Amino acid sequence: NAGVMQNPRHLVRRRGQEARLRCSPMKGHSHVYWYRQLPEEGLKFMVYLQKENIIDESGMPKERFSAEFPKEGPSILRIQQVVRGDSAAYFCASSPNQDRNQPQHFGDGTRLSIL
Amino acid sequence: GNSVTQMEGPVTLSEEAFLTINCTYTATGYPSLFWYVQYPGEGLQLLLKATKADDKGSNKGFEATYRKETTSFHLEKGSVQVSDSAVYFCASYTGNQFYFGTGTSLTVIP
Repeated sequence: NAGVMQNPRHLVRRRGQEARLRCSPMKGHSHVYWYRQLPEEGLKFMVYLQKENIIDESGMPKERFSAEFPKEGPSILRIQQVVRGDSAAYFCASSPNQDRNQPQHFGDGTRLSIL
Repeated sequence: GNSVTQMEGPVTLSEEAFLTINCTYTATGYPSLFWYVQYPGEGLQLLLKATKADDKGSNKGFEATYRKETTSFHLEKGSVQVSDSAVYFCASYTGNQFYFGTGTSLTVIP
């Protein structure tokens, strides 16, 4: 499968635990975007990364959330001390560059449930 | 600011009916416009796009025309099928970000 790969597909955590969501972009793509989808809502932009750089994190909560895209390996979205309100589907998308004509390709998402 | 507003659902149609899902945008500048489709349990898939005024995007019988004068990008299909049942998202891309509408759920009944 040459598409965007996200894992796990489903993640269950108790309040106060940490959640780590992984995203491997499409082959040849160096731009990664994370979105959050709350029930019955659209996608909300969280963060945009290139290899080893955070380009735009304006949509990410200031506390408990962090993201990285290392030189090697997948992009990681990390949520510390999770709370019930973090329950959502988290989608990763990738693109080869920042060309406005290039659509983003989405993974199937990670559904995070907080008990 | 930048935002996308699309018709609220859910929409229920009979097979072979005509579909319109309205989408309007606000943007600082000239965004590219997209329609994405999301099937249950899956991520978003690009359906069609248009990158400048008067462009028409089309795919799988769906069409949308970039209307700068009305800042709209309405999705249409002449004859829907049961397999078209999904959630449809309108999106604009400007700067670093995509801006998504809240999605419109479509159910097509036989």
